[in-house]
Amino acid sequence: IAGITQAPTSQILAAGRRMTLRCTQDMRHNAMYWYRQDLGLGLRLIHYSNTAGTTGKGEVPDGYSVSRANTDDFPLTLASAVPSQTSVYFCASSDSRGSGANVLTFGAGSRLTVL
Amino acid sequence: GQNIDQPTEMTATEGAIVQINCTYQTSGFNGLFWYQQHAGEAPTFLSYNVLDGLEEKGRFSSFLSRSKGYSYLLLKELQMKDSASYLCATVDSNYQLIWGAGTKLIIKP
Repeated sequence: IAGITQAPTSQILAAGRRMTLRCTQDMRHNAMYWYRQDLGLGLRLIHYSNTAGTTGKGEVPDGYSVSRANTDDFPLTLASAVPSQTSVYFCASSDSRGSGANVLTFGAGSRLTVL
Repeated sequence: GQNIDQPTEMTATEGAIVQINCTYQTSGFNGLFWYQQHAGEAPTFLSYNVLDGLEEKGRFSSFLSRSKGYSYLLLKELQMKDSASYLCATVDSNYQLIWGAGTKLIIKP
């Protein structure tokens, strides 16, 4: 089934540890995104990639890094996790970013708890 | 600044009609999306409006007034499976999505 796969589904992590959330899509979409979703707040963009080999910062990039070595994969790394990074993380993809009718397809999410 | 407002929670009865409002202030406008998100799941696309007026898609319709910075999602013949959060998002002049916090819709029998 075409779509986006995220891993892990859920993780509890000690503060200060390094963590990589994985995201793979099989739709050959050019653009990919990482969002975090916190109670009472809208989805907030962490980082994005318009196409393989390029990345950009979103609204809340501090403490996070991404890479886009190929079209399908877009991992998100927390170099040294802090409790404020406890959240649900969604990876998403779309055909392109530079248009209005840019429908996003989301992965199932990764629930991260930092203690 | 950029801002999206929608009610935090709404309750409706199975079989009835409910309207979920969204007001926005963004730098530039390139359209407005509605997404549905069931608890513990990913958001899924419902509708996209870029011109004024009503777009109907089965039991769901979405309306846009650009001059008023206003949209609504209309759900008819409500079913229990419509219990979910409904997310409003606008596309600004940089084609960046600005998301509202979502409206949690509770359907009662």
